[in-house]
This record gives sequence, structure tokens and C-alpha cells, in this order.
Amino acid sequence: AQKITQTQPGMFVQEKEAVTLDCTYDTSDPSYGLFWYKQPSSGEMIFLIYQGSYDQQNATEGRYSLNFQKARKSANLVISASQLGDSAMYFCAMRGEDSGGYQKVTFGTGTKLQVIP
Amino acid sequence: GAGVSQSPSNKVTEKGKDVELRCDPISGHTALYWYRQSLGQGLEFLIYFQGNSAPDKSGLPSDRFSAERTGGSVSTLTIQRTQQEDSAVYLCASSLATGPGGNEQFFGPGTRLTVL
Repeated sequence: AQKITQTQPGMFVQEKEAVTLDCTYDTSDPSYGLFWYKQPSSGEMIFLIYQGSYDQQNATEGRYSLNFQKARKSANLVISASQLGDSAMYFCAMRGEDSGGYQKVTFGTGTKLQVIP
Repeated sequence: GAGVSQSPSNKVTEKGKDVELRCDPISGHTALYWYRQSLGQGLEFLIYFQGNSAPDKSGLPSDRFSAERTGGSVSTLTIQRTQQEDSAVYLCASSLATGPGGNEQFFGPGTRLTVL
């Protein structure tokens, strides 16, 4: 079974500082994808970054980078130079296949990030 | 349209009534996903379609829930005999394909369902 764990229900960061949001996962599927989404108070889900299980390098997208440590099964999101607009819920998610060969998508419980001016 | 659309945006219904939620995916996206998000919670995966086929319905919460997709495009999620615990935001997403590859899901704005 797939599992995503986000242990930080809430985080504060000073504007312009970097922040790391933790995500650990568990799966028996050797091929999977890891995603991070941002959900502002407006409710929309915004895709941030993707990491494939076979990707050798950590994914980066602008101010977002994914610290992928496969042996530790962690996929932490690093946001550099935080901005006030980064205040939102952040969800880690995994897409893979279960033992029956069916696709499953599992989301973590989220981390609420608040950027302090 | 340019993005995923869902209708209605808000639905208030009485306990015991049936509701139908609609999702229009991005044109050309073969994969379509339904999720449920209760207040302050993460997303609960309900079902996905590859084309018109939903190979695994085990994520649906109960047999009161059903979903279909026609023409590889529009999908409807139907909840029969609604209960108060069905109150949530129902999110639809689409992507170019399934599989663990980097096919990001594009989400719609959701339908907020309130069962009185």
C-alpha cells in the first residue's frame, strides 16, 4: 500500500528565508512519481514540482526544489527566498501502482505554511 | 476551455437526495481523476479513468457513489441518497496519461457539496 506522511501540520518562515517542507513516503512499487501541490486559501490546487523514482537528479522549478533521498524515502520540498504569496497549504503526493496493477494516487495531510513579513 | 471545469461550483442538497457532479477535462487529456477533500483535510482519491474505462472502483467510499465518463471527455460523479458525511469539496483533475511518469494533474476549481 502507498502512504505519504507529512509530519508538519504548520510552519512559519520569515519572508526571504528558505523553508523545507517534509514528506516521507512508502511504497513497494519500484516505479512511482512524487508531486508537490500548493493550495492557497482560494482552494485551487496548483502543481509545483515532480520527481520520478528513476530520476538521478533532484527536480527544480524556479524557487522550488525537491530534495529526493530515495534510500530514506523522503521527498522534501525546499522553497527558497520565501514570499508572502507562498502562504498556503502544501501537499505531497505519490502516484504509483498497487499490488493489483491499478493506479493509485495518495496525498499527504498537508503542511500549512505561513510567511511572516 | 483552457482548463478543467467543474459544475456546479456549489451544491446544497437535502439528505437522501441524489446529486450529480460534472467534470470537463482539458481537451486531449486521456486520464481523469476524482478526489474528495473534507474541510481542512487532504485529498482522498476516489477513482480514475483512462479513456472511458475506470479499472478500479475500490476508492469510492460506498456503493452510493458511481462515476462514468463518455467519449473520453466529460465525467460525472453521482452520489445517491446523500448523507451529511458526503459534504466536502469534490475535485476533478486531468492529465495527458496515467502512469508514474511526470504527467502532472491539472485540477478543476471543485464542487462544494453541502448536505443538510
